[in-house]
Amino acid sequence: DAGVIQSPRHEVTEMGQEVTLRCKPISGHDYLFWYRQTMMRGLELLIYFNNNVPIDDSGMPEDRFSAKMPNASFSTLKIQPSEPRDSAVYFCASSLTWASTDTQYFGPGTRLTVL
Amino acid sequence: AQKVTQAQTEISVVEKEDVTLDCVYETRDTTYYLFWYKQPPSGELVFLIRRNSFDEQNEISGRYSWNFQKSTSSFNFTITASQVVDSAVYFCALSPPSGGSYIPTFGRGTSLIVHP
Repeated sequence: DAGVIQSPRHEVTEMGQEVTLRCKPISGHDYLFWYRQTMMRGLELLIYFNNNVPIDDSGMPEDRFSAKMPNASFSTLKIQPSEPRDSAVYFCASSLTWASTDTQYFGPGTRLTVL
Repeated sequence: AQKVTQAQTEISVVEKEDVTLDCVYETRDTTYYLFWYKQPPSGELVFLIRRNSFDEQNEISGRYSWNFQKSTSSFNFTITASQVVDSAVYFCALSPPSGGSYIPTFGRGTSLIVHP
């Protein structure tokens, strides 16, 4: 398996623009997670899905952020409009289930810069 | 409110030394999950372990071991015979019990530098 795939790997955009980050989880994994990492706030879990259904989005910082999982093999994280403080590395991860013995597999991350 | 403290900002050791990374947490939940993640210099995140608060047995995986002490609210991580490839930032995290929100609270991380 190719692992968790994220695109783009790098994104530079201007304040006010819409940004869409994409994630393809490992096939067969039921759980998908979106994380954000910044110097100021460290690591944060934004939202996670189980079987394509959002379970908890309380980590999403503002209404400008939205995430969808239209099918088992694809998820998006959208920021509209983007702001400079959204600059961060965004990681997507998936796991088979979420039992104690299950491993979470991370994608390489998308480095977002909002000018 | 939940809190995770990784008091060691940076640790520097020489290869083959044993090293322990401390993690102390605060929570009002009686059940919870604890995690460790690794972030090498290349930037990717690697999941290391998830431990249910019901299970206080120590965990060993190769050179890695975890010591969970509920009485002191600590979940420390030890690397035995450290190697240069262990150089990374290590994050500890705490999440509420299953059945509700999983959203974890992360520590700020401990940077481990292993010198050859």
